[in-house]
Amino acid sequence: GDSVTQTEGQVALSEEDFLTIHCNYSASGYPALFWYVQYPGEGPQFLFRASRDKEKGSSRGFEATYDKGTTSFHLRKASVQESDSAVYYCALAPNSAGNKLTFGIGTRVLVRP
Amino acid sequence: ETAVFQTPNYHVTQVGNEVSFNCKQTLGHDTMYWYKQDSKKLLKIMFSYNNKQLIVNETVPRRFSPQSSDKAHLNLRIKSVEPEDSAVYLCASSYLGGREQYFGPGTRLTVL
Repeated sequence: GDSVTQTEGQVALSEEDFLTIHCNYSASGYPALFWYVQYPGEGPQFLFRASRDKEKGSSRGFEATYDKGTTSFHLRKASVQESDSAVYYCALAPNSAGNKLTFGIGTRVLVRP
Repeated sequence: ETAVFQTPNYHVTQVGNEVSFNCKQTLGHDTMYWYKQDSKKLLKIMFSYNNKQLIVNETVPRRFSPQSSDKAHLNLRIKSVEPEDSAVYLCASSYLGGREQYFGPGTRLTVL
């Protein structure tokens, strides 16, 4: 079945550091790929999506590029802030018409002031 | 305010009891979902409804049953809860067609 593998555990950074969270997927065809962010006590929030090879998604300074060759959708941010501390999820939907989201295990990001 | 609303925020109950959680969305979406988030933050879809019709039904125990009165409401009933049902239950909504899903704040269930 479809699956998403992302950076496990916690990533600890200082403010203004560069953030990368790796995400690789396994699915047939061209799944839609998503990044979500979850702050404590809240539900996940949609960050952005991409649905075609080489398409770049971005929001709030975060970005990721759909790469079908390496089946990846890595999340990057050039300069993190303390307010970026949260859990980040990579997810996929089977194709652009699909509704069943499969999530990765989540990566906790802790940004020290 | 347009959003996804869930009640209650928390619920503590004993093994064997029945519980019900409510979800309402005011975003005008036609599709709603229930997810379970365990203590390790793993998110798994349980059910999905489109215009009151069940479209996704993952392998969950039969004691879980979703209930949809209209496209803006999707409730979840758990008959005879078990300790492994302790988790956060998240409701979400979207338009049909692989669009982004909007989540409510969740209901935390603790089964003693």
